[in-house]
Amino acid sequence: SAVISQKPSRDICQRGTSLTIQCQVDSQVTMMFWYRQQPGQSLTLIATANQGSEATYESGFVIDKFPISRPNLTFSTLTVSNMSPEDSSIYLCSVDRPTGGSSYEQYFGPGTRLTVT
Amino acid sequence: QKEVEQDPGPLSVPEGAIVSLNCTYSNSAFQYFMWYRQYSRKGPELLMYTYSSGNKEDGRFTAQVDKSSKYISLFIRDSQPSDSATYLCAMSDGGSSYKLIFGSGTRLLVRP
Repeated sequence: SAVISQKPSRDICQRGTSLTIQCQVDSQVTMMFWYRQQPGQSLTLIATANQGSEATYESGFVIDKFPISRPNLTFSTLTVSNMSPEDSSIYLCSVDRPTGGSSYEQYFGPGTRLTVT
Repeated sequence: QKEVEQDPGPLSVPEGAIVSLNCTYSNSAFQYFMWYRQYSRKGPELLMYTYSSGNKEDGRFTAQVDKSSKYISLFIRDSQPSDSATYLCAMSDGGSSYKLIFGSGTRLLVRP
């Protein structure tokens, strides 16, 4: 498996502002994913980020609201833009198994707990 | 109807009990099945990863997949208070998106 860190671990933000969440992996991985986990609910995929290409967004999520960067094989950022209280959630990054090939096994970071007031 | 259904619990058992956690799904294209454990205020931790039907055992944990019934299970033997967590099932159809569909999670409490 991989060791994944996220920054910040938590934040309280005012509506209308933006927050960028960082995800760092200790080994090179092909695929990185961003999920949202709203209170009492399961994980919902926001987008898939591959190095060297545009992120692929799931239905209901758009690039203007959740811009993503993937500058190299160990790092990605997710920005939550123009925040509203409905964006209060835990944001998690995950990576596939770092074996040099893609896999359906995904390993998760510790999450970023966001509260929007 | 959700693609993956999971009883939210909570499920409360005494220490040492055998725990059975289950998920049902509607998409017959799912081929990869995973169980994650999530402690409070932590990210999900991958416990078991299986492909297609059958059983897989790892220590006290056994994962079962019955594709004909669209039903998967996770058994925990000799449950411990440290097993108290939320257990999430996840599935993939093996497509090029590598997307996982998660159940809503079952909260497990193992009483000392």
